[in-house]
Amino acid sequence: DADVTQTPRNRITKTGKRIMLECSQTKGHDRMYWYRQDPGLGLRLIYYSFDVKDINKGEISDGYSVSRQAQAKFSLSLESAIPNQTALYFCATSGVRGKGQETQYFGPGTRLLVL
Amino acid sequence: AQSVTQLDSQVPVFEEAPVELRCNYSSSVSVYLFWYVQYPNQGLQLLLKYLSGSTLVKGINGFEAEFNKSQTSFHLRKPSVHISDTAEYFCAVSWNNDMRFGAGTRLTVKP
Repeated sequence: DADVTQTPRNRITKTGKRIMLECSQTKGHDRMYWYRQDPGLGLRLIYYSFDVKDINKGEISDGYSVSRQAQAKFSLSLESAIPNQTALYFCATSGVRGKGQETQYFGPGTRLLVL
Repeated sequence: AQSVTQLDSQVPVFEEAPVELRCNYSSSVSVYLFWYVQYPNQGLQLLLKYLSGSTLVKGINGFEAEFNKSQTSFHLRKPSVHISDTAEYFCAVSWNNDMRFGAGTRLTVKP
């Protein structure tokens, strides 16, 4: 079984709709991240969480919100989707920095199309 | 602010040829450096990382990278590529509680 899973893998929605992307991990990591990937731009950080009570905005948080329901679960919401949020979304996890666990482990991605 | 520049968006090479994917970074603080690979329709996988110590880092699948502090570079190399190395490669820099990725280099290995 995959260590980091994302649901759904593909989603088509309409402008103005609310949508939630979910991420679960079995690696026991405290840190979780949401990125979006756009062609030619690489990955950009949306939100990150260092534990259940710690949520932080990333580089491009506008239009997004997150919820850390448990150590293993981190959800990303688009309250009112717009077409320029069409992208590939990745969840990632990592251990504690400075203890040799800086590597981030990525889920398979969710491809989102907003019409 | 820290940033990462991958100097080539696409690199086509023939099978068994050597390849170098270039990465430069900008930072005023100490950073960790990473190379990730993304195969079609998959997430990113770690190829190698530089945290400290030896500046030549060896990773999976025969790849290696050299950290050059004076030139702020972390170029990825492989002496002989295979068709299966066709993928997108991302350089990333990490400091404190943040990470920045480059825009990616698409490596295409031709027979």
